[in-house]
Amino acid sequence: AQSVTQLGSHVSVSEGALVLLRCNYSSSVPPYLFWYVQYPNQGLQLLLKYTSAATLVKGINGFEAEFKKSETSFHLTKPSAHMSDAAEYFCAVRISGNTGKLIFGQGTTLQVKP
Amino acid sequence: DAGVIQSPRHEVTEMGQEVTLRCKPISGHNSLFWYRQTMMRGLELLIYFNNNVPIDDSGMPEDRFSAKMPNASFSTLKIQPSEPRDSAVYFCASSRGGPNTGELFFGEGSRLTVL
Repeated sequence: AQSVTQLGSHVSVSEGALVLLRCNYSSSVPPYLFWYVQYPNQGLQLLLKYTSAATLVKGINGFEAEFKKSETSFHLTKPSAHMSDAAEYFCAVRISGNTGKLIFGQGTTLQVKP
Repeated sequence: DAGVIQSPRHEVTEMGQEVTLRCKPISGHNSLFWYRQTMMRGLELLIYFNNNVPIDDSGMPEDRFSAKMPNASFSTLKIQPSEPRDSAVYFCASSRGGPNTGELFFGEGSRLTVL
């Protein structure tokens, strides 16, 4: 079965510091992986996706993620955090062989301190 | 183009009452998903439709929950009778499918409180 695990339910960084949110996946087939962001009282928005075209994926708002098969990881990074990045971030894997069912991780809340 | 539209945004009801949540997907999207979000269980997929047909309802908690998609522009999620443990935020999402499969567009959610 395919699944994702997000390490750390809460991450706190200072403004301007590196953001690193961790996600590990489990899949017996090449996975399609996603990062979504949820701002307070809103639905989720797509940040970026990995679909096997390139291992380093760039998304919106300066975020990027690197697919590492040897480590079964898809960590999300941003070189310099902004206050507006404070939100909850979800890693997700697409279940193979169907029309788009996603399984989400438990989420990581990012706090950005001034 | 308008995004996914959900109604109501907030619903407070008493245990035993029927609750109906509504969703209008993005025009042209052929897949629709209902998710439930709680602090304890995170995001759970309840059911999804492809071309108005339910494909996988294995996430529906029990018979009290039902979902319909009578046409490409409307879906409902019904809980009857409701219970306090159903309190959650319910999200509807739609997707175009094909090479964009997995790119879900979420509504703003319906926050349900069952007293």
